[in-house]
Amino acid sequence: SQQGEEDPQALSIQEGENATMNCSYKTSINNLQWYRQNSGRGLVHLILIRSNEREKHSGRLRVTLDTSKKSSSLLITASRAADTASYFCATVKAAGNKLTFGGGTRVLVKP
Amino acid sequence: ETGVTQTPRHLVMGMTNKKSLKCEQHLGHNAMYWYKQSAKKPLELMFVYNFKEQTENNSVPSRFSPECPNSSHLFLHLHTLQPEDSALYLCASSQNTGTENEAFFGQGTRLTVV
Repeated sequence: SQQGEEDPQALSIQEGENATMNCSYKTSINNLQWYRQNSGRGLVHLILIRSNEREKHSGRLRVTLDTSKKSSSLLITASRAADTASYFCATVKAAGNKLTFGGGTRVLVKP
Repeated sequence: ETGVTQTPRHLVMGMTNKKSLKCEQHLGHNAMYWYKQSAKKPLELMFVYNFKEQTENNSVPSRFSPECPNSSHLFLHLHTLQPEDSALYLCASSQNTGTENEAFFGQGTRLTVV
């Protein structure tokens, strides 16, 4: 079964608005990572949050983690057209090292 | 540019052909991975190599045959593929297979099986 599932599947916003997407997972994790993928290209690592962390920032990105609800959110503030991409969460289980990806959220930022 | 290079970027092959995908990284990483990305499906881990040794085969059909001659190079040999094998094949590397490693991905090879 899929470990990470993103919600929504697709998101369309205007430039300057904030974009929020969520990721839910099923089993205990060591950490959760967010990646971005531009159309038909490789994934780029954005941020890693450990299971004992609740919030992390990187530039315009803010990631939260709620292990009691087994969920994480990625917020992109002041979005730009260049943020148009698919965003994936990936979990690493507590007793393993394998990245398990969700289905992704497609974000379209309209200029 | 992530430091992981995949060739070719696009490949069209018949079901009776034999072809190989190549991945190269010069990041000094010790772990390398093959992933398959199909339309409307999550990224699927296929193989994991750590220090040139295969540590995971995620129930991949034998028509996919990986090879890791050294820590910098990873190949995926393809033979007698099916149309449903058409997908984006992504190679990734990480420092090792520890729990807090971020993965660096190549641009992928878009494979079409006809």
